[in-house]
Amino acid sequence: QVQLVQSGAEVKKPGSSVKVSCKASGGTFSNYAISWVRQAPGQGLEWMGCIIPLFGTSNRAQKFQGRVTITADESTGTAYMELSSLRSEDTAVYYCARGNIRTPFFDYWGQGTLVTVSS
Amino acid sequence: DVQMTQSPSSLSASVGDRVTITCRASQGIGNFLAWYQQKPGKVPKLLIYAASTLHSGVPSRFSGGGSGTDFTLTISSLQPEDVATYYCQKYNGALLTFGGGTRVEIK
Repeated sequence: QVQLVQSGAEVKKPGSSVKVSCKASGGTFSNYAISWVRQAPGQGLEWMGCIIPLFGTSNRAQKFQGRVTITADESTGTAYMELSSLRSEDTAVYYCARGNIRTPFFDYWGQGTLVTVSS
Repeated sequence: DVQMTQSPSSLSASVGDRVTITCRASQGIGNFLAWYQQKPGKVPKLLIYAASTLHSGVPSRFSGGGSGTDFTLTISSLQPEDVATYYCQKYNGALLTFGGGTRVEIK
């Protein structure tokens, strides 16, 4: 049974960074792409970027270039998303989601991590 | 970048009604289109991939169609448990983009 378990809620100050983890179990971690999707309160889903652990490659939406870093630790089956220079508009639920490398729609999702940016 | 536009942004229909949501891509994306359902306060769930393939466990009243730039999600007979927001997503190329979502309510 595939599970993606994310780290807990965070409260951060504007200008700081946050790092959210996503630990996968029940599948071969390296054979998939892990994406990060966020959802601001009352808003829609926004794809941020993804990583393919097998190739060590990552990709990001233009909006997040220079501010988001996506990494993966194959030894622990864990993906990470770090967002820097936080502002209030970054307050959102952040999800990790798994997709196949060639057809990366998301068949499994993490439970979500609420990140609140507030002074 | 390819933009995904959904319509309508919200709709209200009666139980048993046939409901259709459309998703338009600004450029052709073949059939690399998925649909997700997100119930209030819940994690999104995959409904359909490859534009028309039903994900395991999804009720058969859901169906998808289209290719290229124009896609549809149809609920053949709306049920109370279908109250949710539905999102399309393109997954070809390097950027995976969601549509803005369609909120479905019961009249």
